[in-house]
Amino acid sequence: GENVEQHPSTLSVQEGDSAVIKCTYSDSASNYFPWYKQELGKRPQLIIDIRSNVGEKKDQRIAVTLNKTAKHFSLHITETQPEDSAVYFCAATLMDSSYKLIFGSGTRLLVRP
Amino acid sequence: KAGVTQTPRYLIKTRGQQVTLSCSPISGHRSVSWYQQTPGQGLQFLFEYFSETQRNKGNFPGRFSGRQFSNSRSEMNVSTLELGDSALYLCASRGDGYEQYFGPGTRLTVT
Repeated sequence: GENVEQHPSTLSVQEGDSAVIKCTYSDSASNYFPWYKQELGKRPQLIIDIRSNVGEKKDQRIAVTLNKTAKHFSLHITETQPEDSAVYFCAATLMDSSYKLIFGSGTRLLVRP
Repeated sequence: KAGVTQTPRYLIKTRGQQVTLSCSPISGHRSVSWYQQTPGQGLQFLFEYFSETQRNKGNFPGRFSGRQFSNSRSEMNVSTLELGDSALYLCASRGDGYEQYFGPGTRLTVT
């Protein structure tokens, strides 16, 4: 069945450093890859997404890259700030007549001031 | 626009009981999906509804069911509750685009 693996499970960085979270998906038909940020006690929030016809997308300090051949996609956060501390989830789905997001297991990011 | 809302926010039930959770999507969104979030299993897809039809279903037992009304509001029902059903139940709505937006969740505790 469909599966998304996410690494690392925890990541601790110094404020100002970069953070990278990596995901691998199993279903080669997947064509939409969102990233969600979930702060403690809050709902997951969509922070960036990428479609399979694009290799990279940036939004200020965050960027996502996609390698369809290797079935890998990654989240890059530059100039990290304490407010970036949260759990980050990657996900994948095939966008057709239905919608079924398969999530990675999450990465707990801690940004040390 | 108002965001996705879910009621109730917290619920305590006893094993064997049933429960119904409600979700109101963002105005104009016709797709509603439900997810179960637990520390051990993470975020798991339950089902997706679009225009009152279930289009996709995850790997959950038949005790988990749902429905969607003509105004796109959705409910999910869990019958014969088990301790392992304790979780945060999240619904998410989607419009014509790819982006899906989550509600605040219902925290269900089964004792």
